[in-house]
Amino acid sequence: SQTIHQWPATLVQPVGSPLSLECTVEGTSNPNLYWYRQAAGRGLQLLFYSIGIDQISSEVPQNLSASRPQDRQFILSSKKLLLSDSGFYLCAWSAMDFGGYTFGSGTRLTVV
Amino acid sequence: GENVEQHPSTLSVQEGDSAVIKCTYSDSASNYFPWYKQELGKRPQLIIDIRSNVGEKKDQRIAVTLNKTAKHFSLHITETQPEDSAVYFCAGRNYGQNFVFGPGTRLSVLP
Repeated sequence: SQTIHQWPATLVQPVGSPLSLECTVEGTSNPNLYWYRQAAGRGLQLLFYSIGIDQISSEVPQNLSASRPQDRQFILSSKKLLLSDSGFYLCAWSAMDFGGYTFGSGTRLTVV
Repeated sequence: GENVEQHPSTLSVQEGDSAVIKCTYSDSASNYFPWYKQELGKRPQLIIDIRSNVGEKKDQRIAVTLNKTAKHFSLHITETQPEDSAVYFCAGRNYGQNFVFGPGTRLSVLP
């Protein structure tokens, strides 16, 4: 069966520091991969999605970037974090163009 | 593009009563509509979904109905229990497109 792993679970980082969040999917090939952010008490904001290796689309201009170095690995990065980057970051995958999303367990990022 | 609205934003019901959350969508080509439940501090989890060729789907105490003509779909929870308290998100998509999520409904089931 398919599983999605996301780490770390929590992260406290100072303003201006770099960020790297990693997500991997097992048990499937060529998944669609997504990064979402959720501010406290708010909805799901799509940040990036990827339909294949090195095929990444950005939904919202910001100081974040994403990379997909391998088929089942999706990385969210920042060179310099802002206070406004705090939130709950969720990775998700779906099987190509049908079916629902399966979310990872999330990373709670606090920028101080 | 698709736009999904969701109502109400908050809903409080007594334990044992029913809860209904409604979503409307704008793109008539959308053909798949899932519902997600997110407990506090946890990931959203798929609880039920419906495709455009079906009008209703049930899974124990949960049901979803779809009205393609009016472009709305609803989540129905019967015999609510405290563990149903969570934020519920609806979503819609067309084949090959990304999901568009509603803003969420915070459901509180009062004992």
